[in-house]
Amino acid sequence: NAGVTQTPKFQVLKTGQSMTLQCAQDMNHEYMSWYRQDPGMGLRLIHYSVGAGITDQGEVPNGYNVSRSTTEDFPLRLLSAAPSQTSVYFCASSSLGSVEYFGPGTRLTVT
Amino acid sequence: AQTVTQSQPEMSVQEAETVTLSCTYDTSESDYYLFWYKQPPSRQMILVIRQEAYKQQNATENRFSVNFQKAAKSFSLKISDSQLGDAAMYFCAWGGGADGLTFGKGTHLIIQP
Repeated sequence: NAGVTQTPKFQVLKTGQSMTLQCAQDMNHEYMSWYRQDPGMGLRLIHYSVGAGITDQGEVPNGYNVSRSTTEDFPLRLLSAAPSQTSVYFCASSSLGSVEYFGPGTRLTVT
Repeated sequence: AQTVTQSQPEMSVQEAETVTLSCTYDTSESDYYLFWYKQPPSRQMILVIRQEAYKQQNATENRFSVNFQKAAKSFSLKISDSQLGDAAMYFCAWGGGADGLTFGKGTHLIIQP
């Protein structure tokens, strides 16, 4: 099992550009989440999904879009990148009562 | 909304000694999970230990144990026989089920050889 995979590992964007961070899991987990981690902060929840076709907002959803068309994939879209979105992004998956498994993270810089 | 507070931004301990990291949380829910995650410089999030709120017995995992005080909403992590490889950021997190985790800001643990 690969667990939770994220691509790319690093990305540099210019302000106003859009991009999609990819996340996939092969553990057949129904729940998936996206977090961002800024210096001196813990991880903060952006969006989450409890199953294919179902998504909801977390603590810091503005500027991000998600969809979940399959159980395995949960992409995160930045619609118009801003310097405030410079961060490390983590995707995670879990099932009810289980531990949350994290991907390796994507370091995004917006200039 | 849930909140998680880690009041120690940094802790230092001598190798082979014991250290305790503090965590308090606030929630109105009665059934939930609490976690400690370790984040080394590689930035990978690694689960250290998990506690189910309905279980009174404190979770243990080798050299790692917790002191879970549900009424006080306290969830501290004790690391015994500290090793150089334990040096990392440690995050306390609260989880209610399907809607993700709420994290504290972390404690940077330094191990002195």
